[in-house]
Amino acid sequence: GNSVTQMEGPVTLSEEAFLTINCTYTATGYPSLFWYVQYPGEGLQLLLKATKADDKGSNKGFEATYRKETTSFHLEKGSVQVSDSAVYFCALRGSGNTGKLIFGQGTTLQVKP
Amino acid sequence: DTGVSQNPRHKITKRGQNVTFRCDPISEHNRLYWYRQTLGQGPEFLTYFQNEAQLEKSRLLSDRFSAERPKGSFSTLEIQRTEQGDSAMYLCASSYGTGGEKLFFGSGTQLSVL
Repeated sequence: GNSVTQMEGPVTLSEEAFLTINCTYTATGYPSLFWYVQYPGEGLQLLLKATKADDKGSNKGFEATYRKETTSFHLEKGSVQVSDSAVYFCALRGSGNTGKLIFGQGTTLQVKP
Repeated sequence: DTGVSQNPRHKITKRGQNVTFRCDPISEHNRLYWYRQTLGQGPEFLTYFQNEAQLEKSRLLSDRFSAERPKGSFSTLEIQRTEQGDSAMYLCASSYGTGGEKLFFGSGTQLSVL
């Protein structure tokens, strides 16, 4: 079945450091891929998405490229801020007319000043 | 747009009791989802509705769990004869569309079964 694997956290970085959070997936067909973020005390919210191979999703300085050949969707940001501290979830939606998402286990990011 | 609302925020119950949670989605959203999240894990899909029809239910959902969305607006999730393993955060999300859309999540109901 479909699944998502994320790098384990926590990830601790200093402000302005470069961020990469790895995400790989297993799926049949042509899934859509997502990154959701959960800030402390808040609900999950969509950060970015990509719906087909080689698409790049981007938002708030974060980027991720849908790589079908490596079944990956790694999240990157060139310069993190303290306010980026949160839990990041990679997710996929399988082919077909379903809104159901399969999530990875989440990666906690802590950015120190 | 007042967001997805879930009640209660916290529920503490004794093993064997029944509990019911409510979710009020964003008003124009036709799809509603229930997820369960335990500490250190990502949300796990339970079930979803399109309008009042329950279109998919996870194989992980035992017969003790039931969800309804009677008028295609709010939804309830009931757990009968709760077990300690049911302790988790129960998340509701809603969306508008037929599959490609963005999900909006509520803040969840934290269930503790003693």
